[in-house]
Amino acid sequence: DIQMTQSPSSLSASVGDRVTITCRASQSISSYLNWYQEKPGKAPKLLIYAASTLQSGVPLRFSGSGSGTDFTLTISSLQPEDFATYYCQQSYSTPLTFGGGTKVEIK
Amino acid sequence: QVQLVQSGSELKEPGASVKVSCKASGYTFTAYVVNWVRQAPGQGLQWMGWINAKTGNPIYAQDFTGRFVFSLDTSVSTAYLEISSLKAEDTALYYCARGNSDNYHSADYWGQGSLVTVSS
Repeated sequence: DIQMTQSPSSLSASVGDRVTITCRASQSISSYLNWYQEKPGKAPKLLIYAASTLQSGVPLRFSGSGSGTDFTLTISSLQPEDFATYYCQQSYSTPLTFGGGTKVEIK
Repeated sequence: QVQLVQSGSELKEPGASVKVSCKASGYTFTAYVVNWVRQAPGQGLQWMGWINAKTGNPIYAQDFTGRFVFSLDTSVSTAYLEISSLKAEDTALYYCARGNSDNYHSADYWGQGSLVTVSS
């Protein structure tokens, strides 16, 4: 199975900050990397697929990059509604696997 | 619009079975897969597997073989997750999500989740 390692597991940031979350795969997954946002009491929401393609309706302050084994999710200017937990997921091969999550908290 | 609507919360005793439903609308049900994802209390997301809604072929993650069964009723655009011989550690929120092979197999639409609680 492909292991996905996210870092950090949590971070504190202020509104307006630039935030970067990293995700590393245990083997090359090309660009088969997706990012999801989860808020308490809500289902996860797809933000980015194929490492860097923004899902329809997702604000442009979100961006993704990387290929192979190393990926990043960047929020260019953190907004109040962005405080949530973010997960990466590889969809290169089954079993699809998620990273452990990164909780973004208010500083 | 695309929607996945799941069945409600369930409270079951250990050893019982439960069947969670996921009714899809707003798209051609048989053109996509349906993923199942578990989230134990306070934990992260765990992919359980998927079922191809066109062929009916399921793929299970290793932790979800044996007691977990994915099924379909394409006549009503509904996917099902059945868990037998329930254990306390099966207590979790279970999500269905549409898998889109055109978008790198990402899960682009999710149900609201079904809480299964296993307790005597």
